[in-house]
Amino acid sequence: SQQGEEDPQALSIQEGENATMNCSYKTSINNLQWYRQNSGRGLVHLILIRSNEREKHSGRLRVTLDTSKKSSSLLITASRAADTASYFCATVDRAGYSTLTFGKGTMLLVSP
Amino acid sequence: EPEVTQTPSHQVTQMGQEVILRCVPISNHLYFYWYRQILGQKVEFLVSFYNNEISEKSEIFDDQFSVERPDGSNFTLKIRSTKLEDSAMYFCASSEALRETQYFGPGTRLLVL
Repeated sequence: SQQGEEDPQALSIQEGENATMNCSYKTSINNLQWYRQNSGRGLVHLILIRSNEREKHSGRLRVTLDTSKKSSSLLITASRAADTASYFCATVDRAGYSTLTFGKGTMLLVSP
Repeated sequence: EPEVTQTPSHQVTQMGQEVILRCVPISNHLYFYWYRQILGQKVEFLVSFYNNEISEKSEIFDDQFSVERPDGSNFTLKIRSTKLEDSAMYFCASSEALRETQYFGPGTRLLVL
């Protein structure tokens, strides 16, 4: 089984539009984290949402979590060309230690 | 803002050689991790380290791999006898507490020829 599968695999939008990426997972989680990766570089932490939370905001980012559906979404509002990157969700299992299990990611392209 | 650093940024080695990848975690963090990302694939967990011991390791982390915290600041990953399939980007991460945000370094790109 695959944990943390993002959807869509690729997303292409214009600057100013909103981008929504979804993540599904299979196990019970302690928390879910979203990361950004610019073209083969390091992973930048965006936001952490715990299993007892339903929504979190950070600047132009909005993350929701639905534990009954085992899914999360990341919304980037008013996107910019600089938001072009791959976005990954990663889960920490409830029964696990602290290991992050990553999905394959969504590649976002924001055109000027 | 404190950040995780890694050296070298790139390393090329011959199959069968030993490599040591170095990381300096954020100074007040207590939990340390290594992950790797083979080109075009998912980021995969290798090992976690706390209180000078391995806390958890994946199936990938076999006897060819070892980790060490040789002093109060460095955290290293050693691959004893590299294989072609070890070619990947290796990320170090650290967190302040268990199950909290993990901050990643910029990675070391390892190429095994």
